[in-house]
Amino acid sequence: ETGVTQTPRHLVMGMTNKKSLKCEQHLGHNAMYWYKQSAKKPLELMFVYSLEERVENNSVPSRFSPECPNSSHLFLHLHTLQPEDSALYLCASSQDRASAKNIQYFGAGTRLSVL
Amino acid sequence: RKEVEQDPGPFNVPEGATVAFNCTYSNSASQSFFWYRQDCRKEPKLLMSVYSSGNEDGRFTAQLNRASQYISLLIRDSKLSDSATYLCVVTGLNTGGFKTIFGAGTRLFVKA
Repeated sequence: ETGVTQTPRHLVMGMTNKKSLKCEQHLGHNAMYWYKQSAKKPLELMFVYSLEERVENNSVPSRFSPECPNSSHLFLHLHTLQPEDSALYLCASSQDRASAKNIQYFGAGTRLSVL
Repeated sequence: RKEVEQDPGPFNVPEGATVAFNCTYSNSASQSFFWYRQDCRKEPKLLMSVYSSGNEDGRFTAQLNRASQYISLLIRDSKLSDSATYLCVVTGLNTGGFKTIFGAGTRLFVKA
């Protein structure tokens, strides 16, 4: 158990649906991250939150909308997705964002399929 | 040039073999280095940090060469359970601020 919980673990949605991914960390960390991992591709950083403020947004399409209501929770709201958005979405947390010894702890991920 | 580069493999080795992975990084201002392990269809997990003097954890040895900007991971006496993807991770100040950058990973298959 890594202390980072993601729900749901699996999600199938149509292109017109709206859904949300949830991440919760129980580690008392100040930074949280969303990553996308497509088949046979490296991790792609999507968003970074530090102390509940978004500090990084790596040119992610607006159909992905993050929300961080507090330091323990992170959401990724999805709407009008495309089939190429099918991937494993991983949430991670770390003590601080800009620490040189920043170790990230990952949730088990949400495997998303867009039909 | 990618900021963090790894040989994607796959490395296919028999049980008991010794295998080594290298990772190069482009940012000379990088501060911390890690190896993560990712099993098939699972999340990445920290395997070990990499220190300047080199460090060992059981069958695993990590080395850092700042002058040549690479880190390495050596696995001795490979086990079937070592089969996974090994991710090189580099952190430090970069253009745009502090970043943690994951390599694409090296796949290892250990066979009986």
